[in-house]
Amino acid sequence: GENVEQHPSTLSVQEGDSAVIKCTYSDSASNYFPWYKQELGKRPQLIIDIRSNVGEKKDQRIAVTLNKTAKHFSLHITETQPEDSAVYFCAASNSNTGKLIFGQGTTLQVKP
Amino acid sequence: DVKVTQSSRYLVKRTGEKVFLECVQDMDHENMFWYRQDPGLGLRLIYFSYDVKMKEKGDIPEGYSVSREKKERFSLILESASTNQTSMYLCASSIGRENIQYFGAGTRLSVL
Repeated sequence: GENVEQHPSTLSVQEGDSAVIKCTYSDSASNYFPWYKQELGKRPQLIIDIRSNVGEKKDQRIAVTLNKTAKHFSLHITETQPEDSAVYFCAASNSNTGKLIFGQGTTLQVKP
Repeated sequence: DVKVTQSSRYLVKRTGEKVFLECVQDMDHENMFWYRQDPGLGLRLIYFSYDVKMKEKGDIPEGYSVSREKKERFSLILESASTNQTSMYLCASSIGRENIQYFGAGTRLSVL
């Protein structure tokens, strides 16, 4: 069935360093790839998304890249800050089903 | 601002009880979703609905049912709660089939 694998499960970086989280998906019909951030005790919130007709998208310190051939996409956070500490989820969906399939989540810790 | 409201933040129930989790959204979204979130497993889709009185099984529907009598309200029902249904339950809504899902704050259910 449809599956999204996310790595690493935990990531610890020093403030100011970059962080990269990677996801692979199994359904070649997937065409929408959002990333959600969930701070402790709060609801998941969308931080960036990318559609299959685009290879890269940036929003200030965060960027997402998509490789449709390899069926993987990545989240890049530059100049990390302590407030970036959270659990990050990738997801994939296709317009046939409308369902989001989520990865297992990555706990990012940014040390001051 | 999109608002997705879940009726309870915390709930404690006994094994065998019938449990209702309620979710209401105020943005006239067609699509509504119920997920459960467990550590290391990400968000797993239980049921979803594209319209009033419509429902579709997600990836883990066993032991659950849903009701969507009004567009703004989507209820998750545990017919006979079991201890393995202890989890965080998240409701979400979206418009269209590829668009952003907005999440509620979650209900942490403990079944004793």
